[in-house]
Amino acid sequence: ILNVEQSPQSLHVQEGDSTNFTCSFPSSNFYALHWYRWETAKSPEALFVMTLNGDEKKKGRISATLNTKEGYSYLYIKGSQPEDSATYLCASENTDKLIFGTGTRLQVFP
Amino acid sequence: DTEVTQTPKHLVMGMTNKKSLKCEQHMGHRAMYWYKQKAKKPPELMFVYSYEKLSINESVPSRFSPECPNSSLLNLHLHALQPEDSALYLCASSQVEGASYGYTFGSGTRLTVV
Repeated sequence: ILNVEQSPQSLHVQEGDSTNFTCSFPSSNFYALHWYRWETAKSPEALFVMTLNGDEKKKGRISATLNTKEGYSYLYIKGSQPEDSATYLCASENTDKLIFGTGTRLQVFP
Repeated sequence: DTEVTQTPKHLVMGMTNKKSLKCEQHMGHRAMYWYKQKAKKPPELMFVYSYEKLSINESVPSRFSPECPNSSLLNLHLHALQPEDSALYLCASSQVEGASYGYTFGSGTRLTVV
């Protein structure tokens, strides 16, 4: 994998559903994996920075895992709420810069 | 203050105009970044400033000219832009260069070149 890839591109879920999405990144020259939450017309908000293989981080109902050997990270949202609607961006930090994926756009319906 | 402030939020400019985008942070961060995002594409790095000196220029055309007058301010001067330069321009900062410290982003300037 040469680029950072995210799937799915978009996701529509019902309030209360749990959901997850994937970020795939180059495993060579890996330093850190970042997740951001980005609401329309606002600043991207940092959720997690993970560096070690097997890292798991949690912030409220949102959690993330990291596998640096195979080059993927999962973001989980438990019991989605309408306020979780946003684009979730991951970014891989390699030698000297951050490389972003195109994001997963999540819409949670009441 | 834990924010990165970008002005203006929206800008429409003609191809012969000269304009500037401004980015400001008061968190004591010593690295500042310009990113460009086109619709449905990931943000792409343009420039990195570290301790007020240009550290990375990602082969950006000279019609984009960055400037870091002090540790709190980052400008992007625009001249003779093309319609394809229309995009969201994001500014970010971090404690020092290297994203492992985490980035703080501004909300961006939506630029339209007509």
